[in-house]
Amino acid sequence: QVQLVQSGAEVKKPGASVKVSCKASRYTFADFAMHWVRQAPGQRLEWLGWIKTDTGNTKYSQKFQGRITITRDKSASTAYMELNSLRSEDSAVYFCARDHSSGWEYLDYWGQGTLITVSS
Amino acid sequence: DIQMTQSPSSLSASVGDRVTITCRASQSISGYLNWYQQKPGKAPKLLIYSASTLRGGVPSSFSGSGSGPDFTLTISSLQPEDFATYYCQQSYIIPWTFGQGTKVEIK
Repeated sequence: QVQLVQSGAEVKKPGASVKVSCKASRYTFADFAMHWVRQAPGQRLEWLGWIKTDTGNTKYSQKFQGRITITRDKSASTAYMELNSLRSEDSAVYFCARDHSSGWEYLDYWGQGTLITVSS
Repeated sequence: DIQMTQSPSSLSASVGDRVTITCRASQSISGYLNWYQQKPGKAPKLLIYSASTLRGGVPSSFSGSGSGPDFTLTISSLQPEDFATYYCQQSYIIPWTFGQGTKVEIK
């Protein structure tokens, strides 16, 4: 069974940066793209961006352009999402989720989520 | 961005009831519509993709239909494990967007 295991919860101060990892196992990492999605308390899911794991090409939601960087380490089968200039509105659970394809189709497996709290 | 609107936002139903959730996109998205189920404190799980294709292992009591801007998710006979929040999501164009969710509660 495919597994995506994310790094643990973090508390950050406004203006800081956070980097969340997502380690994939039990499948060939570079064969499937990876997305990042977040969910603020009581809110709908929000798509942040995507990485094509074989090439490293990325696409981001314009809302986060300039503040977000998604990378991957193929040798470690791990994807990363870094968000800079954090503000209180960034407090949310962040999920990595595997795409069914190497492009963008649908999200067939999800990580367990990482709670990021931004507070002074 | 494409706006996704679900209705209702919540509903109360009994075990065995038939439940229908609708999702409307702000523009045509062809059949690029997926449905997810989320339980409290857990990650979403894929139920249906491409509007009507049931993911392997998902009970056949779940079904999806629609195209263009209007879609439905139907649970033909609600089971205790089906009480959850359901989200639609369009994968027609980036940025992907989700509906606000429909919470299915026990009556």
